[in-house]
Amino acid sequence: AQRVTQPEKLLSVFKGAPVELKCNYSYSGSPELFWYVQYSRQRLQLLLRHISRESIKGFTADLNKGETSFHLKKPFAQEEDSAMYYCALSGNQGAQKLVFGQGTRLTINP
Amino acid sequence: NAGVMQNPRHLVRRRGQEARLRCSPMKGHSHVYWYRQLPEEGLKFMVYLQKENIIDESGMPKERFSAEFPKEGPSILRIQQVVRGDSAAYFCASSPPLGQGSSYNEQFFGPGTRLTVL
Repeated sequence: AQRVTQPEKLLSVFKGAPVELKCNYSYSGSPELFWYVQYSRQRLQLLLRHISRESIKGFTADLNKGETSFHLKKPFAQEEDSAMYYCALSGNQGAQKLVFGQGTRLTINP
Repeated sequence: NAGVMQNPRHLVRRRGQEARLRCSPMKGHSHVYWYRQLPEEGLKFMVYLQKENIIDESGMPKERFSAEFPKEGPSILRIQQVVRGDSAAYFCASSPPLGQGSSYNEQFFGPGTRLTVL
């Protein structure tokens, strides 16, 4: 069964502190993993995907197949990072549905 | 490009009525996905459509729910005889045709329709 787990519903850190949002998945095969973000009063938008292996807004995420994890990290949090973050996976066989985690609300305190 | 459009943004229905949710994909996008978000939960896939075809409806409830994406016009998610448990945010996403060598195309999300059943 395809499943994405984000164990933290809420995460609060101080500005300048490191941030790590956890994501674990289960999938029989090689999925594609994504992080989506929803800022206040904005639409859900793609933040990054594991295939691109890039850093967006200072965030990175490494796919760890052994631990079936795709944690999102940023070394120095900024206030504008406060948002709802969703980890998601998709099968790798063409255009497919996304399976989302429950989301983590990240709050950056000044 | 205005992005994915959904209307109405808010919809209130009484139990037993019908709800129709509309989604206009981004220009050039031929794939449409519907997701439902119940309170305090993540988005759950419902259905994936291409023009005039339902590709994957594995997330659709067996009764009362239907979806279409006609040749002309928006995609419609229809809920018949709504019940209180249907109250949720319904999101539509669209993506372009798959490109050469690409196994996945980014899904662009609409603002959602918040359905409240009284």
